[in-house]
Amino acid sequence: DAGITQSPRHKVTETGTPVTLRCHQTENHRYMYWYRQDPGHGLRLIHYSYGVKDTDKGEVSDGYSVSRSKTEDFLLTLESATSSQTSVYFCAISPTLVGETQYFGPGTRLLVL
Amino acid sequence: DQQVKQNSPSLSVQEGRISILNCDYTNSMFDYFLWYKKYPAEGPTFLISISSIKDKNEDGRFTVFLNKSAKHLSLHIVPSQPGDSAVYFCAASVGQTGANNLFFGTGTRLTVIP
Repeated sequence: DAGITQSPRHKVTETGTPVTLRCHQTENHRYMYWYRQDPGHGLRLIHYSYGVKDTDKGEVSDGYSVSRSKTEDFLLTLESATSSQTSVYFCAISPTLVGETQYFGPGTRLLVL
Repeated sequence: DQQVKQNSPSLSVQEGRISILNCDYTNSMFDYFLWYKKYPAEGPTFLISISSIKDKNEDGRFTVFLNKSAKHLSLHIVPSQPGDSAVYFCAASVGQTGANNLFFGTGTRLTVIP
């Protein structure tokens, strides 16, 4: 299995509070991604990174920011959490942009009250 | 709007029989398609893919069929096993190197009954 961990695995927070989710990899892969999974929508890309300090927006980036200061860590921040951001968040890594090489973490379940 | 659709949220199949999971897409620019499998409390894992230059790709018990004119693909699992019980997502991209722009369907939960 690819070495990907996500922390925390579960979090409950209140509307308006900042939240940071962490993705950590031990594979030294260039690309890292944040997705959210919601009923009726499947997985949707929030942001991705193509290198240290290099990030770009995905399909549903509003309300989220990311940072990658080291190859192994990709942080997703909700500056002011809203109930619509209640979701399961998956991090993924890949050595290339070929879809088959994308490996997903176990997910973080976030509940915003 | 969902550009990739899986209209069957769930499917139950007897062990040993064929499972057929369907996926439709609306964007004619999509030319690369993937299937992922997801167990509870785990992330999705890649299963099989197909390029639009093919209409079939086979890997062991898993075969994906692509009908470009109908914008439809299907995943066949033969024979189905209890360990295949999972949620299956199809995904599409423009080009094989489109991992930063994958569009996923909503998933189909497959239950294989022993």
